[in-house]
Amino acid sequence: GAVVSQHPSWVICKSGTSVKIECRSLDFQATTMFWYRQFPKQSLMLMATSNEGSKATYEQGVEKDKFLINHASLTLSTLTVTSAHPEDSSFYICSARDRSGDLTEAFFGQGTRLTVV
Amino acid sequence: GESVGLHLPTLSVQEGDNSIINCAYSNSASDYFIWYKQESGKGPQFIIDIRSNMDKRQGQRVTVLLNKTVKHLSLQIAATQPGDSAVYFCAEGAGANNLFFGTGTRLTVIP
Repeated sequence: GAVVSQHPSWVICKSGTSVKIECRSLDFQATTMFWYRQFPKQSLMLMATSNEGSKATYEQGVEKDKFLINHASLTLSTLTVTSAHPEDSSFYICSARDRSGDLTEAFFGQGTRLTVV
Repeated sequence: GESVGLHLPTLSVQEGDNSIINCAYSNSASDYFIWYKQESGKGPQFIIDIRSNMDKRQGQRVTVLLNKTVKHLSLQIAATQPGDSAVYFCAEGAGANNLFFGTGTRLTVIP
């Protein structure tokens, strides 16, 4: 099956610093990648939809200047949490859709645990 | 790093029939489970969840059944409608914050 790799799996950073999370589709091209945030024992919250070569579409309530998304190629999307604060600590997960396959299918990365201290 | 790949089984049902989507989980320590629906071009949508201290939970037209003995989870959709056509994912969590997603199932409703 298609594989999505997310890196890093976990990261600890100091308040005020920025953190970049990568989401790669390893064996397929992804025109669309989704970024989610998950709080403990809650459902994933869609943060933004990232389309290759264009600006990301952010969900209501998600600060685009805070969570910078770049989807420069068909296999890589990045999420940068800028000026991170403890309240940004969360589990971030991406998913990607194979442009050549059924557009209904989406494949998930393993997630990134961000802890801001 | 580690990654999650998904192979999607399919289920086709006639409009108006009931649908049952199954999911097997592996972690005996999982204490909550969630079903997601994903339509084409959209991110997963939360459908219903259930805690391990329950064996059944009902929502609007949907019912989730949990059998901890055999580590099995199912989603029942009553009177399936064309708008129910989507990919359905189960996910499990075990105390820690991470959710582990199961194999998705593509549901196709035949008018």
